[in-house]
Amino acid sequence: QQQVKQSPQSLIVQKGGISIINCAYENTAFDYFPWYQQFPGKGPALLIAIRPDVSEKKEGRFTISFNKSAKQFSLHIMDSQPGDSATYFCAASTGNQFYFGTGTSLTVIP
Amino acid sequence: GAGVSQSPSNKVTEKGKDVELRCDPISGHTALYWYRQSLGQGLEFLIYFQGNSAPDKSGLPSDRFSAERTGGSVSTLTIQRTQQEDSAVYLCASSLNAVNTEAFFGQGTRLTVV
Repeated sequence: QQQVKQSPQSLIVQKGGISIINCAYENTAFDYFPWYQQFPGKGPALLIAIRPDVSEKKEGRFTISFNKSAKQFSLHIMDSQPGDSATYFCAASTGNQFYFGTGTSLTVIP
Repeated sequence: GAGVSQSPSNKVTEKGKDVELRCDPISGHTALYWYRQSLGQGLEFLIYFQGNSAPDKSGLPSDRFSAERTGGSVSTLTIQRTQQEDSAVYLCASSLNAVNTEAFFGQGTRLTVV
């Protein structure tokens, strides 16, 4: 059973556009929601994370929006750049282990 | 070292052979995780170690898979009698403690079973 559902599977965005990746979960015990970025041949690296006591967190061009009642959270990449082309994973944690989404392959076209 | 180190980076083995994959976590990190990533797939949880507690082995796909963590530091993932479906990238991660802190990943070991 997939604990965290992620969509879309792949995304193509023009340079300068907004990339949006969505995730949904069921377990209300989750209390930490990180996003990881993975480049080919590399391990995932933490991009940004949020806790459920806030509805939005912004770091540079990256924003997490969190809707606790809907049990959904999303990653917005503003002014998307070709260097953002990578696979993005959302995750959720109860403090015991991380449950990852299936990943979104983002391609930013110059 | 500064990050999580995994070895070997690549491993090709014949079907039926045993393999050992090694993970050196960041010094001082008490939590250690193993994940498996198949081509184009997400991260599949395998096993989790936290300090001296009994490991969470709930993600191990079969009894051919086992892992240990010696002295609360280095971990070894062992796959016995490898099968072609075991081919994947095996990722190790560590975090400072179990309570919602950043997990740092190694670069993974790409295992190919021929």
